[in-house]
Amino acid sequence: GAVVSQHPSRVICKSGTSVKIECRSLDFQATTMFWYRQFPKQSLMLMATSNEGSKATYEQGVEKDKFLINHASLTLSTLTVTSAHPEDSSFYICGCGSGEAQPQHFGDGTRLSIL
Amino acid sequence: GQNIDQPTEMTATEGAIVQINCTYQTSGFNGLFWYQQHAGEAPTFLSYNVLDGLEEKGRFSSFLSRSKGYSYLLLKELQMKDSASYLCAVRDSNYQLIWGAGTKLIIKP
Repeated sequence: GAVVSQHPSRVICKSGTSVKIECRSLDFQATTMFWYRQFPKQSLMLMATSNEGSKATYEQGVEKDKFLINHASLTLSTLTVTSAHPEDSSFYICGCGSGEAQPQHFGDGTRLSIL
Repeated sequence: GQNIDQPTEMTATEGAIVQINCTYQTSGFNGLFWYQQHAGEAPTFLSYNVLDGLEEKGRFSSFLSRSKGYSYLLLKELQMKDSASYLCAVRDSNYQLIWGAGTKLIIKP
């Protein structure tokens, strides 16, 4: 159980492109979804937290107009990196939570490379 | 501020036992998690402790002492595939997950 699907797994695109990443909880309802970014040899950095049907809560320093999050249902959240630039190149991971006492389960991550 | 400390890197021998420590100072406590992360992959859940004591799950065990703000992950009968980073994370009073920087475990034959 607790399977999270994240798509695409890898994106290579030109600077200025917008990239959409999907995160789906396949066998449970994710009341809360978390979006992380991880640079090489560093730990996870939380970007934002979203609850189904409400606006995402962004961490300090994360631009909400650049990283658009939509949590359309209890099984789907999307992160759109708008007008991506090379400094946005990173490993993006979604985490899904089904309750306060439950662990987060992660998608396989999306490696984004902006040329 | 909130802080989680764990060693940056550890080395152990195949077949041996290794203990990875984690100390934390957080605003409240609502559970401690250990995750395993192989290079280039997302973390996978290993264990959850919310009460003091030892939780055993196969070759992996996790211990918690809330009064000391301390946990450890114990890995027995080490295998080469256990080479990975191990992340300690604490859920604070707001149920926000605070992450440690991870311990890179290197297993040698």
